[in-house]
Parts: sequence; structure tokens; C-alpha cells
Amino acid sequence: AQSVTQLGSHVSVSEGALVLLRCNYSSSVPPYLFWYVQYPNQGLQLLLKYTSAATLVKGINGFEAEFKKSETSFHLTKPSAHMSDAAEYFCAVGGSNYKLTFGKGTLLTVNP
Amino acid sequence: NAGVTQTPKFQVLKTGQSMTLQCAQDMNHEYMSWYRQDPGMGLRLIHYSVGAGITDQGEVPNGYNVSRSTTEDFPLRLLSAAPSQTSVYFCASRTLDRVSYEQYFGPGTRLTVT
Repeated sequence: AQSVTQLGSHVSVSEGALVLLRCNYSSSVPPYLFWYVQYPNQGLQLLLKYTSAATLVKGINGFEAEFKKSETSFHLTKPSAHMSDAAEYFCAVGGSNYKLTFGKGTLLTVNP
Repeated sequence: NAGVTQTPKFQVLKTGQSMTLQCAQDMNHEYMSWYRQDPGMGLRLIHYSVGAGITDQGEVPNGYNVSRSTTEDFPLRLLSAAPSQTSVYFCASRTLDRVSYEQYFGPGTRLTVT
């Protein structure tokens, strides 16, 4: 079985500040890990993915995430928030079956 | 390439009515799935398919039926709509190539059941 916990349903940052969105996973097999972003009234767009290559993964729009097996974490970061980053972010884990399990999401608010 | 398309974008149903949400993809993906998204619940898997003629239940299958007669299409049927099925529904697809693994999502169908 696999599961995802996103710590913090709502994160608020100032424009230019560091963005840190937390994700912890549980998986009985080596995981595939993903971050998706959802802008208001839109579908989900892939930000980045970890598929057992480099542990530091770079994605679109300046986001990156680091896979830490010892901590079972895959936190998403961006050095400097922009107003356009305001959205909901979902962490997801996939394992040996074909299914993805999603976290409950973190809503990011960026204040001017 | 249109990717994953869903119709309709919005739908209002009365309790007890039935309807079909359409999903199609033009990427020749073997795997297709349906999720529902509710506030504070993330995305929950309803049904999925790994190829034509093969479907299976996800986390929340009750009240929904699916079939997969072609690689391209994966419709979701609500047999007798209930207010608890008010949600945003997303269809997704992916190749079964494990290196790729990412799912591609449609734009969603917003369903209200009164």
C-alpha cells in the first residue's frame, strides 16, 4: 500500500520569499514521486517527477524537489515566490502497480 | 495532439438521473483512469483501465460504471446520480512505460447533483 501526507493544507508566503511545500510518502516498493500544480478552474499539470535517477529534481517554473529516502520525504521548494505561483499543489506517489495516490493538496497563497 | 479531452465541462443533474462523462485521449496510452476531486480530499481514484476490455475499481467506485471498448475512449457512467456525487471529475491517461510513468490530465468536468 502507498500513501502521501502533505503537511499544511494552506501555506502563505510573501512575494520573493522561499516556498517550501512538504510531502511525506509511504511505499512498500521504491517509489515514483510527483508534484502536480492546479491553477484555479484548471486541470492538473506536472511540475516535476522523481523516477530513481537524480535525487534532486528540477521542474518547471523554477521549482525543485529533493528525494530523501531516509526521511521518506519529497519536499517542493522554490527560492523566490512569484504571484503567478499561487495555486494548489499536489504530491503523488506511484509504486509497482499502475496507480497514483495523491495527497490532499496544499493551497499556496502569495502576498504582494 | 489534443491530449486528454473531457466533455461536458459543466453538468447539472437531478437526483436519480443518469449520465455519461466522456473522456478521450489521442496519445495511444494504455492506462486511463477517472478521479474525483473534492475540497480537502485531494484526488481519489474511481476506476481505471490498463487496456481495451480491462477495467478495475479504484478507491471510490460505488455509484459509477466504466467500460473500455477502444484504446482512445474511457467513459464514466453515473447510473443514478446522488448529491454526494457532486464533484469535479478528472480523466487521466499514461503509457505503461515505467520510466515515463506520469499521468496526463484532462481539463475536468464539474458536476452538480441537486
